[in-house]
Amino acid sequence: EPEVTQTPSHQVTQMGQEVILRCVPISNHLYFYWYRQILGQKVEFLVSFYNNEISEKSEIFDDQFSVERPDGSNFTLKIRSTKLEDSAMYFCASRSSLAGVGELFFGEGSRLTVL
Amino acid sequence: DAKTTQPNSMESNEEEPVHLPCNHSTISGTDYIHWYRQLPSQGPEYVIHGLTSNVNNRMASLAIAEDRKSSTLILHRATLRDAAVYYCIPLEEAGGSYIPTFGRGTSLIVHP
Repeated sequence: EPEVTQTPSHQVTQMGQEVILRCVPISNHLYFYWYRQILGQKVEFLVSFYNNEISEKSEIFDDQFSVERPDGSNFTLKIRSTKLEDSAMYFCASRSSLAGVGELFFGEGSRLTVL
Repeated sequence: DAKTTQPNSMESNEEEPVHLPCNHSTISGTDYIHWYRQLPSQGPEYVIHGLTSNVNNRMASLAIAEDRKSSTLILHRATLRDAAVYYCIPLEEAGGSYIPTFGRGTSLIVHP
């Protein structure tokens, strides 16, 4: 069964450092998402991406965040200067354009720990 | 977005049916009712969705009230692997904004 894969599974970084989280969506999917989940809290939407541009973003997705699809397969989330409060699980998801009501397929997440 | 109300937690015994309720009284006529679940230490996983009629798939059944103000996810025989947080999410058909918004959900505990 096709799946969304994310790397790294866990990253530890110092505050102020740049972090790039990588995702390989399912190959024929065209819509991509990043969500995050701070420990013990809800899964929160960050950004959606379609046709090489951001479709929607939440208030959380400020200028410190950016997304890119550099090579047609990877979908990355960059945090320019990490803060302690960026510590969370980050989930990538993708969706096919074929279905009018299409399910999102989520990866297993990347745990980011900012010290 | 339609507001949803789900119990914080529910318990079941293995191999017994589980009925997970969700109230969504402000749902709009074009919102589909989606259910996702999140197993421990994993990303959310799609379970099922429906509009008006009851729906079945290999994972679960979805019973939708006639007035669409509530729905029930039915796991016919709970297994230990079904222990997860279950989210009920009203969502309009893709074409507009299609962004599942996760609430607190219902934490399902399955006893052996």
